[in-house]
Amino acid sequence: DTEVTQTPKHLVMGMTNKKSLKCEQHMGHRAMYWYKQKAKKPPELMFVYSYEKLSINESVPSRFSPECPNSSLLNLHLHALQPEDSALYLCASSQGPSGGVGEKLFFGSGTQLSVL
Amino acid sequence: RKEVEQDPGPFNVPEGATVAFNCTYSNSASQSFFWYRQDCRKEPKLLMSVYSSGNEDGRFTAQLNRASQYISLLIRDSKLSDSATYLCVVSDTGRRALTFGSGTRLQVQP
Repeated sequence: DTEVTQTPKHLVMGMTNKKSLKCEQHMGHRAMYWYKQKAKKPPELMFVYSYEKLSINESVPSRFSPECPNSSLLNLHLHALQPEDSALYLCASSQGPSGGVGEKLFFGSGTQLSVL
Repeated sequence: RKEVEQDPGPFNVPEGATVAFNCTYSNSASQSFFWYRQDCRKEPKLLMSVYSSGNEDGRFTAQLNRASQYISLLIRDSKLSDSATYLCVVSDTGRRALTFGSGTRLQVQP
């Protein structure tokens, strides 16, 4: 019953494919995030959008390209991925600008990505 | 030194037991602290925020010790449904993002 919706839930792609992950929230949150999580590891921050502007890029390779078309939507475009990019990709949102005191993250259920 | 450190466990406890997890953080300027719960192959979900005065939510009690830079989570009367990974999360205003610990796995056994 998460209020952050991610699609697709599962994705298998080849290394030459181009695909996109989508995330949507209608809670009026102004910060949105992409995290990558490998098995038995904590989520690793990739990107943060605050008020629809990219505010943090954690030195993510350019084969991952985020996009924030509006305050409710967040996309992650994938191109020429490597097998080691296989992971659970989590979208999250929070109410205010990122890094605010007391920020609580609300996660989507994630996209399980496999790169062959 | 990791920014946020947790004992990975697993903690294997019988139903009804009391179990405590600790988490240490390195940045003394950290301002907000949380415990998240993550079930296998699911997304993390906020369990509770951690306040300076300590706070309780049913069977769960969280404590913050700023002087020693650690937070704790106490679970009383463990249920089978408490089995999950518990993530300690700290806000770092300098970095403007939350930092996750590596998680502590709890397995409650019948």
